[in-house]
Amino acid sequence: DAGVIQSPRHEVTEMGQEVTLRCKPISGHNSLFWYRQTMMRGLELLIYFNNNVPIDDSGMPEDRFSAKMPNASFSTLKIQPSEPRDSAVYFCASSLGGRELFFGEGSRLTVL
Amino acid sequence: GQQLNQSPQSMFIQEGEDVSMNCTSSSIFNTWLWYKQDPGEGPVLLIALYKAGELTSNGRLTAQFGITRKDSFLNISASIPSDVGIYFCAGRGSNYKLTFGKGTLLTVNP
Repeated sequence: DAGVIQSPRHEVTEMGQEVTLRCKPISGHNSLFWYRQTMMRGLELLIYFNNNVPIDDSGMPEDRFSAKMPNASFSTLKIQPSEPRDSAVYFCASSLGGRELFFGEGSRLTVL
Repeated sequence: GQQLNQSPQSMFIQEGEDVSMNCTSSSIFNTWLWYKQDPGEGPVLLIALYKAGELTSNGRLTAQFGITRKDSFLNISASIPSDVGIYFCAGRGSNYKLTFGKGTLLTVNP
């Protein structure tokens, strides 16, 4: 079975550019999470969707960050404009009924 | 908010040794999850615990959900070089949110 699929795996961009990260959750899962991982802060929850509806976006750092889930099999996390402090690994994770959480392989973002 | 204290931060052991790491919480959890993360990869779920006192094994790994519901430990027996990585605990209270520990970096010397 396919796990959570994220793209791109690596993104290098310049400050001010728009960044879009993509995620395909495990088929049949109804919850989707976006996390950010840094050395300093560890894993931080950015936003949580349940049945494609954003339930909690309190972890989104600021208005430059936005996330969408247009259907059960696709979600995006967008940063516009990007800043160097956004450099991190961004993980998408999905679960069924909020039990075990399964992570994708992550998107490593570097903003120069 | 909920605080998770994971220890030790790092361990350096010889191949064949047993390993133990634990997490303690400032509040009660209903679920404990243990993950392993290899460099450049996402966290992979190792063991899930749902009941206080529950002891669950997955091969050489054993984890327990503490009776107080505020702690959990993970043991690895007879470590091998591929056990190297960062191990995370994660706990969930009454809502959907998982709180993650800071991780334990395990190094195994062949």
